[in-house]
Order: sequence, then C-alpha cells, then structure tokens
Amino acid sequence: EPEVTQTPSHQVTQMGQEVILRCVPISNHLYFYWYRQILGQKVEFLVSFYNNEISEKSEIFDDQFSVERPDGSNFTLKIRSTKLEDSAMYFCATRGQGGELFFGEGSRLTVL
Amino acid sequence: GESVGLHLPTLSVQEGDNSIINCAYSNSASDYFIWYKQESGKGPQFIIDIRSNMDKRQGQRVTVLLNKTVKHLSLQIAATQPGDSAVYFCAENTPPGGYQKVTFGTGTKLQVIP
Repeated sequence: EPEVTQTPSHQVTQMGQEVILRCVPISNHLYFYWYRQILGQKVEFLVSFYNNEISEKSEIFDDQFSVERPDGSNFTLKIRSTKLEDSAMYFCATRGQGGELFFGEGSRLTVL
Repeated sequence: GESVGLHLPTLSVQEGDNSIINCAYSNSASDYFIWYKQESGKGPQFIIDIRSNMDKRQGQRVTVLLNKTVKHLSLQIAATQPGDSAVYFCAENTPPGGYQKVTFGTGTKLQVIP
C-alpha cells in the first residue's frame, strides 16, 4: 500500500538553528500538507501546497516557516530559526481522490 | 469562528462492546467530515468519512452518523477490540477552497478493557 514517508523520525536541535523536515508524498497525489501536533494536543494545520505553491496557511505558519518541492519528489518544511515552542510532531499528509488525507508517521522535533 | 470539539476526552469500553465517540462542530458551512485514529507515536490514520449530503455511512465495523441540525458527528465502533485503543479525532473541511484545510478536533482517547 502506498504511503507517505517522512525523515528524520526525530531531530534534536538548538534554539535558533535551521531545521528541514522532509516528506515523500504518495506518487499520484497532488495536494500536500504539513500539520503539527504538540505533545498531548490536537493536530494543527500549518500549510497546504498545490501546483508548486502554497494554497493556504494558518496563523502558525509565519515567516520562520517555508515549504518547497525542490526536486519533484520531496516536499520539505523548513523552520529558519527554531524556537522552544516549535517542539512538536510534524506530520506531512497528501490528499487522495476522495478528499481524505494520508499522513506520514511524523517527524519529532525537539528544540533545546 | 470554526471549531471542532469533542464531548469526552477519555472513553473506556469493555472488549466486545460497542463504542460511540461524539464530536460537535460549529461551522454549518462544513461539507466534509472525517474520522481519524491515532495510535501512540504514529500519524493519524483515516477511518471513514462522510459528506454533508449524507447522514450515515458504514464501513467495516465502523459507522459515522452526521446530524446537521445540531452540528453533531459520531463514530460507532462495533465489537470493540483491544487494537481499537487509540485517540480518535474528528475533522472537518470548510469551503471555500476545496480541501485545502482540514480542521481537527481535540481528540477522544478510547481505552478498551480486555
């Protein structure tokens, strides 16, 4: 069964450092998303991406965040200067034909 | 504003019994609803969805009911098994914008007692 894959599974970084989280979407899906989940809380929408551009973003997705699909396969989330409150699980998702989202296993980011 | 919330944070059910997980939504413009299951340390997993032109949809051991009058969504799991233990999230999609943004609720933790 096709799946969304994410790397790294866990990253520890110092506050102020740049982080790039990577996602390989399901191959025939066209809509991509990043969500985050702070420990014990709900899954929060960050950004959606279609046709090589952002289609919608939340208030969480400020200037410190960016997304791109540099090589036609990977879909990346970059955090330019990490803050303590960026510590969370980051989930990549892609959208199927019917509208349902398929999530990866997540990348845990720990900012020290 | 739009919000999706759950009535109960934790639900304990005896193995073999039926489970009912409830969800309230506030945006009457939402047209598509999804239930996700999240096991510890994993990403959300799609269970079942329903569009606003339906009031019931059945899957394998799961049924979703939608009551648009009171903006309520429920997930019924028949013959609950230990493997059903997880956090369950309802999520809604609100137009315009197609499926650009799906909003998740707070989540209900289902504990199955063997």
